[in-house]
Amino acid sequence: GAVVSQHPSWVICKSGTSVKIECRSLDFQATTMFWYRQFPKQSLMLMATSNEGSKATYEQGVEKDKFLINHASLTLSTLTVTSAHPEDSSFYICSARDEVRSSTDTQYFGPGTRLTVL
Amino acid sequence: GQNIDQPTEMTATEGAIVQINCTYQTSGFNGLFWYQQHAGEAPTFLSYNVLDGLEEKGRFSSFLSRSKGYSYLLLKELQMKDSASYLCAVKSGGSYIPTFGRGTSLIVHP
Repeated sequence: GAVVSQHPSWVICKSGTSVKIECRSLDFQATTMFWYRQFPKQSLMLMATSNEGSKATYEQGVEKDKFLINHASLTLSTLTVTSAHPEDSSFYICSARDEVRSSTDTQYFGPGTRLTVL
Repeated sequence: GQNIDQPTEMTATEGAIVQINCTYQTSGFNGLFWYQQHAGEAPTFLSYNVLDGLEEKGRFSSFLSRSKGYSYLLLKELQMKDSASYLCAVKSGGSYIPTFGRGTSLIVHP
């Protein structure tokens, strides 16, 4: 149980284009999902908390107009990197809590998306 | 804020035991996670501690001392596939969202 999928697993795009990443909870509903970014040999950095049916909550220093988050249903959140630049190249990972089955706030992670901006 | 400290890298021999430490400084501690992350993959949940003591789960055990702000992950009978990064993550201040440490890269060699 508690499986999270992410698509695509990797993407290469040109500078200035936009890229959409999908995160789905496959066997549970998640009112809240989380988007992280991880640079090589660095820790997971929380970018934003995605809330179903309402606006996302962004961490300090994360541009909400650049990283658009939409959480349209209880099983799907999307992250769109707009006008991507080479410095946005990173490993993007989503996660979700199974609020029904987990009492410990354990997060279950998707497999990640490797974004490379040329 | 929180301050989470883990060693950057450790090496160990196949079949041996290794202990990965994590120290933290935080207010309102509310739980500590250990995750395993293989290169290029997402983290997978290993353990959760909120009370003092040792939690054993197969070859992996996790220990917590709240008064010392200290936890360790113990891996027994090491296998080559245990080569990975091990992330310590702490919940605090009433938030259900943990803060992750930088991770410890464990290299298991024959």
